[in-house]
Amino acid sequence: GNSVTQMEGPVTLSEEAFLTINCTYTATGYPSLFWYVQYPGEGLQLLLKATKADDKGSNKGFEATYRKETTSFHLEKGSVQVSDSAVYFCALSDGGSQGNLIFGKGTKLSVKP
Amino acid sequence: NAGVTQTPKFQVLKTGQSMTLQCAQDMNHEYMSWYRQDPGMGLRLIHYSVGAGITDQGEVPNGYNVSRSTTEDFPLRLLSAAPSQTSVYFCASSGGQGVGSPLHFGNGTRLTVT
Repeated sequence: GNSVTQMEGPVTLSEEAFLTINCTYTATGYPSLFWYVQYPGEGLQLLLKATKADDKGSNKGFEATYRKETTSFHLEKGSVQVSDSAVYFCALSDGGSQGNLIFGKGTKLSVKP
Repeated sequence: NAGVTQTPKFQVLKTGQSMTLQCAQDMNHEYMSWYRQDPGMGLRLIHYSVGAGITDQGEVPNGYNVSRSTTEDFPLRLLSAAPSQTSVYFCASSGGQGVGSPLHFGNGTRLTVT
């Protein structure tokens, strides 16, 4: 079945460091791919998405490119801030109902000043 | 704009008790769903609905019931709570027509079953 695998956390970085969170997927067909972010005590928010191969999603300095050849959707940011501390989830649509997503286990990011 | 509202924020139940987790959205979204979030497990889909009067099971539906009598509301019922249902529960909605449409999440209900 469809699945998402993302790197284990926690990840601790200093402010202004470069961030990569790896995400790979297994899916039949051509799923849409998402990154969601969860700040402490809150629900998840959509960070960015890509709906077809080679698409690049971007938002708030974060980027991810849909790579079909490597079945990956890695999240990157060139210079992280303390305010980026959160849990990041990679997800894919399961091709069924429009809103059903399969999530990775989440990666906790802590950014130190 | 309230978005997706979940109540209560916290709840403690004893094994065997029943309760309903409430979820309401004011965005006129057709699609609504319930997820549970457990440490090291990510989010797993419990039930979902693509419109009033229509519900379907997700990945982990056992022990939970849902109904969708209106577009706005999508309550989740635990008929006989078990310790394995200790989790954080999130309700989400989506108004788009395609699989690329984003989900809007509530802030969650933290449930402990003793």
